[in-house]
This record gives sequence, C-alpha cells and structure tokens, in this order.
Amino acid sequence: AQSVSQHNHHVILSEAASLELGCNYSYGGTVNLFWYVQYPGQHLQLLLKYFSGDPLVKGIKGFEAEFIKSKFSFNLRKPSVQWSDTAEYFCAVNPNYGGATNKLIFGTGTLLAVQP
Amino acid sequence: DVKVTQSSRYLVKRTGEKVFLECVQDMDHENMFWYRQDPGLGLRLIYFSYDVKMKEKGDIPEGYSVSREKKERFSLILESASTNQTSMYLCASTRQRYQETQYFGPGTRLLVL
Repeated sequence: AQSVSQHNHHVILSEAASLELGCNYSYGGTVNLFWYVQYPGQHLQLLLKYFSGDPLVKGIKGFEAEFIKSKFSFNLRKPSVQWSDTAEYFCAVNPNYGGATNKLIFGTGTLLAVQP
Repeated sequence: DVKVTQSSRYLVKRTGEKVFLECVQDMDHENMFWYRQDPGLGLRLIYFSYDVKMKEKGDIPEGYSVSREKKERFSLILESASTNQTSMYLCASTRQRYQETQYFGPGTRLLVL
C-alpha cells in the first residue's frame, strides 16, 4: 500500500534557525504533492503544492519545498523560522491513479515548536 | 473563499450512543471526505463521496457510515459510539477535477465516555 513517511515527529527550534522537514512517499508513479499546516486551534490549510514543472515550489509565509523524484522525497524548508510558525505540518500525496477524486494519503505529521 | 463548516467543535457522547457529525461546504464541490486525526497517526480517511448518494470506503471505515443526500452536505454517523472513536474528525471537500486542492473544516473533537 502507498504510504507517506515524515521522519521528524517533534522539532524544536529557536527563532531565526533554518528548518527542513523530511517527507518520503512510497508510490512509484506520478504523484501530486502537498504540505498542509495546522496552527494551534485553526483549520488545516494548504502551505504549498507540487503538480508538475519546476521541482522547487514556493508557498505561503516563506516556505518552500523541493520535489526529488529519484529519492521519492518532498522536503519542506524555511531559511529562518519565526515563533508564529509553531504548528503541526503534514505532508500528503495524491497518487496519479486517484484521478479526479483527489484522494490524499497523509503522513503522520511533524509538530514544530519555535522558541522565541 | 471556500468555506467548509462542521456542526460542532466539541462533542461529548456516551458509549453506545448514535452520533451524527455534519459537514457543509459552500463551493459546489463534488467530492467530500471524512478523516479522523489522532496524535502520531496523522489523518486517516474514513469515507469519501464523489456525488450525491455515492460513497466509497476509505482506510478505516469500520464502525462508521456516511450519508450524502445533498451535494453540499456530508454526514458521518457513528452507529454505536465506542471509546476508541474518541478523536478529532475533519471534513474536507474538493472539485472533481484533476489536481485540485482539498479544503478542510475546523474539525469536531469527539469524546466518547
């Protein structure tokens, strides 16, 4: 079965530190890739997405992610985190076979705590 | 702006009760989804629907059923609630076109005693 792995379950950083959250998926075909974020007490919202083209995608709030097909990875990065980035981050994959249902397979999430 | 609303933010029920969780979206989306979110397990798909009266099982459908009588509304039903169904339940919707984004509701935190 297809799966999505997020290797870091909890990450604690100081403000201004750089962030990289790992995401790997197991599906071998074409995929659509997403990062969602859930701030404390808020809805799950889209941070960025990759469908095709430039493998380096930019999202909201200074986040970016790089799709590396050969490594089945879609890691999330931010050069300098802020206290307001404290949240839970979810990687998700829509395997191409999912077609127009747009079904997603989610990773287990990474809790990021940024210390002021 | 897409809006997905869920009927309750918090719900406390007793074991054996029948529980209804309601989700409404206002963007005429064809696809709707129910997930449960548990610490360390991420989001797991319970059921989804791609049209009125149509439904498909997700990864963890046991103990749940769904109803989609109108396009904008998707209900999750716990026929006989059990303590292991204590969780955060998230509803989402998306258009039925390739490469669309899922939009999520605020979630319902259900406690079964």
